[in-house]
Amino acid sequence: GQSLEQPSEVTAVEGAIVQINCTYQTSGFYGLSWYQQHDGGAPTFLSYNALDGLEETGRFSSFLSRSDSYGYLLLQELQMKDSASYFCAVRGAGSYQLTFGKGTKLSVIP
Amino acid sequence: EAQVTQNPRYLITVTGKKLTVTCSQNMNHEYMSWYRQDPGLGLRQIYYSMNVEVTDKGDVPEGYKVSRKEKRNFPLILESPSPNQTSLYFCASSLGPLSTDTQYFGPGTRLTVL
Repeated sequence: GQSLEQPSEVTAVEGAIVQINCTYQTSGFYGLSWYQQHDGGAPTFLSYNALDGLEETGRFSSFLSRSDSYGYLLLQELQMKDSASYFCAVRGAGSYQLTFGKGTKLSVIP
Repeated sequence: EAQVTQNPRYLITVTGKKLTVTCSQNMNHEYMSWYRQDPGLGLRQIYYSMNVEVTDKGDVPEGYKVSRKEKRNFPLILESPSPNQTSLYFCASSLGPLSTDTQYFGPGTRLTVL
């Protein structure tokens, strides 16, 4: 099976940079995804890494190290609207299921 | 507009009264899935479907049934709901079984079982 660990809460200042880490254990590995969920809303897809390295999408970047079973989501130039929960998720090799971490609640303060 | 819809959005019911939560997508996606979300537990998969008439159990299937008679619809059935099924439910879809990393979620159904 798969398991993921990510911090439960992170607080950061508006305009700053924040990194949300995710470590995973999985039997086989296909890729690591990140989703954002605002309070009362549905999860929305942010980014996906199948290979080692950094993927950049605007203010958001996601990093993966397959050898360390580790990834992170980097949010730059934080805005108040970035306050949300962020979930990492993995798909094991040969699996059609996406297993989610328990989520990190990011609070952006002025 | 490409979307996943769920109905109802909110439901309060009593123990043992059968209910169905509908899910529909207009993106011609092959893969559809149901999740439940509980505080501190994240999103847990209940059932998924890789195509019409092909369904499989997720991590927490007990007490739930699904069917996939049409590509666009994937209803979740609770034959005899119990209070421990009180939760926030999300339906999701993706292009195909090999694209499940990128899923599109419906708005959610908040279910309370008394």
